[in-house]
Amino acid sequence: QVQLQASGPGLVKPSETLSLTCSVSGYSISSENYWGWIRQPPGKGLEWIGNIYHSGTVYYNPSLKSRVTISVDTSKNQFSLKLSSVTATDTAVYFCARDPGYSYDLWGQGTLVTVSS
Amino acid sequence: DIVMTQSPDSLAVALGERATINCKSSQSVLYGSNNKNYLAWYQQKPGQPPKLLTYWASTRESGVPDRFSGSGSGADFTLTISSLQAEDVAVYYCQQYYTTPWTFGQGTKVEIK
Repeated sequence: QVQLQASGPGLVKPSETLSLTCSVSGYSISSENYWGWIRQPPGKGLEWIGNIYHSGTVYYNPSLKSRVTISVDTSKNQFSLKLSSVTATDTAVYFCARDPGYSYDLWGQGTLVTVSS
Repeated sequence: DIVMTQSPDSLAVALGERATINCKSSQSVLYGSNNKNYLAWYQQKPGQPPKLLTYWASTRESGVPDRFSGSGSGADFTLTISSLQAEDVAVYYCQQYYTTPWTFGQGTKVEIK
C-alpha cells in the first residue's frame, strides 16, 4: 500500500525557515512520477507550491519561488520542502502528493504548520 | 496565472437528487496536440486531504463511484453527482494542470437539503 507522510515542526517562528519532509512508503520515488507540495490555510482553499521529479527537475509557484526549495533524496525515498522567511500568512496545512502526470492521485494526510512567536 | 472560478460557492441538494458544480478557467486548458483537457476534480472532507475524482476532465479515478462524472472542454467544465448520497457532503475543487503555476478553484461546498 502506497503511503505518503509529511513530517516536521508544527510551530515555526516568524522570519525563520519552515522545513518539511515527505516520506514515501510502498512505492519508489524514482518511478515515473512527479512529487508535489500543496498547502491549505485554515478554512481556505488549496495553493500549489511546487513539483519535483526524481531527477531533480523542479517547478515552483512564482508567488513563492524566491523563498521555496524542493529537493529529493532517492536513497531515503523522501522529498522535502523548505520555505524561508515565513510569516503568519504561511500558516497552513501542508500536503505532499504524487503526480502521475494527470494531477495528484495520492495525498499524504497533511501536517499543520503554525507560524507564531 | 490561469484563474479557476467555481460556481456556486455552496449548494444544498436533497438526497438522491442531482448536484452540479461548474468550473470556468480564464483560458483554455485544452492541449491541441493530444486533445486532452488538463482539468481535475477533487473531493475534500473535513480533516482529510483532497481525493482525486476525475482527471483529463472526464476520466474517473479508479474506485470512484460512477455517480460522479466530469464533463466539459476548453474553458468550461462541470462535475455532476447524479444521485447525492450522505457521504458526498464535502468541498469540491477543480484544478488545472495545463501550465504552471497549477491553480485550483475556490471550492464548492455541497450539503444535504
